[in-house]
Amino acid sequence: GQNIDQPTEMTATEGAIVQINCTYQTSGFNGLFWYQQHAGEAPTFLSYNVLDGLEEKGRFSSFLSRSKGYSYLLLKELQMKDSASYLCAVIKAAGNKLTFGGGTRVLVKP
Amino acid sequence: DAMVIQNPRYQVTQFGKPVTLSCSQTLNHNVMYWYQQKSSQAPKLLFHYYDKDFNNEADTPDNFQSRRPNTSFCFLDIRSPGLGDAAMYLCATSRSRDNNQPQHFGDGTRLSIL
Repeated sequence: GQNIDQPTEMTATEGAIVQINCTYQTSGFNGLFWYQQHAGEAPTFLSYNVLDGLEEKGRFSSFLSRSKGYSYLLLKELQMKDSASYLCAVIKAAGNKLTFGGGTRVLVKP
Repeated sequence: DAMVIQNPRYQVTQFGKPVTLSCSQTLNHNVMYWYQQKSSQAPKLLFHYYDKDFNNEADTPDNFQSRRPNTSFCFLDIRSPGLGDAAMYLCATSRSRDNNQPQHFGDGTRLSIL
């Protein structure tokens, strides 16, 4: 089976940094995605990690440690529009099927 | 500009009355997925098509069926909707089943059951 755990909610201030952690236990692993989902909208792709280490894309970075079953998404220079849910999703070894964590709702305050 | 299009955005049906949700894509992707997302929960994969091959998830109820008449279109049929089927239904596509291919989601159809 697969367990994917993320905090339910986080609050941060505009301009600050927030780190969203994701831990997973899975019988097979072949990559981890982060998606952003605004309320009532579709999830949009943020990042993909399959090797250990940090992937940086502008204000967003994602880190993976396969040995620890751990990833985080780092959001820097927070903007009000970053208020959304952030979904961690793991791919099993076979095929491109995503299993999502419950999502972390981030609220950015002025 | 929309690449994965779901119609309608909001659908209301009656308990037990069959309903069909539609998805189309302009990306020419081989794979199309259907997810169910209940309020404040993660999207849950129901099934996917790899080209014309249908792949059902083990825990998807028999009440849910899908059709893919061509590359561009995929339908989700709910034969006898129950109150527990009220949810957002998300369609997604990917170029292939290679594991590094991001999935592109439509805006979803929010289904309500009366």
